[in-house]
Amino acid sequence: EADIYQTPRYLVIGTGKKITLECSQTMGHDKMYWYQQDPGMELHLIHYSYGVNSTEKGDLSSESTVSRIRTEHFPLTLESARPSHTSQYLCASSGQASRGTEAFFGQGTRLTVV
Amino acid sequence: SQKIEQNSEALNIQEGKTATLTCNYTNYSPAYLQWYRQDPGRGPVFLLLIRENEKEKRKERLKVTFDTTLKQSLFHITASQPADSATYLCARYLTDKLIFGTGTRLQVFP
Repeated sequence: EADIYQTPRYLVIGTGKKITLECSQTMGHDKMYWYQQDPGMELHLIHYSYGVNSTEKGDLSSESTVSRIRTEHFPLTLESARPSHTSQYLCASSGQASRGTEAFFGQGTRLTVV
Repeated sequence: SQKIEQNSEALNIQEGKTATLTCNYTNYSPAYLQWYRQDPGRGPVFLLLIRENEKEKRKERLKVTFDTTLKQSLFHITASQPADSATYLCARYLTDKLIFGTGTRLQVFP
């Protein structure tokens, strides 16, 4: 059982609202990731972090921002939600990339912006 | 740019047969390739990792091969079962980024 948790599981919110998706892991992993995935489509990396106070943008441009103040916590924020942000957001963590270690995923947050 | 390509068309096979899924990558060979399973509405779950110096890796009914000449990995499920129906993803690290392929949907019919 992976020790990585995302909340909320589902979120329906109005346009223009600010939202924060939470992601926490208890495995002490340095690497953490946020992916965006539409139904039946591929996973797109939108943010990643290789340690505290380090964050980078992924391959898919996103209006969201992230922070990594603590090793275990990697929240994602949308300052002003829009219907185009409707998607599933998946958080993951892993150990040493240089050893190709596996990634553990949370259950995801399905976001709907109305 | 580094890309990972998988057959985007769904693979439909009969129960008991062997399913074979393909992962092709571009440019330089990764030190590792990983395979994951994803069920609808859930996050991917890790299945197997193969290193570039390994030709083959097995785990129960699963087998992965890695051909650095062809820049390809094959994922096999032998004696497939309806419970194996899911989307299967290959992935590689690009420095600190974990990049996934497009995934192939497998449907096993009784």
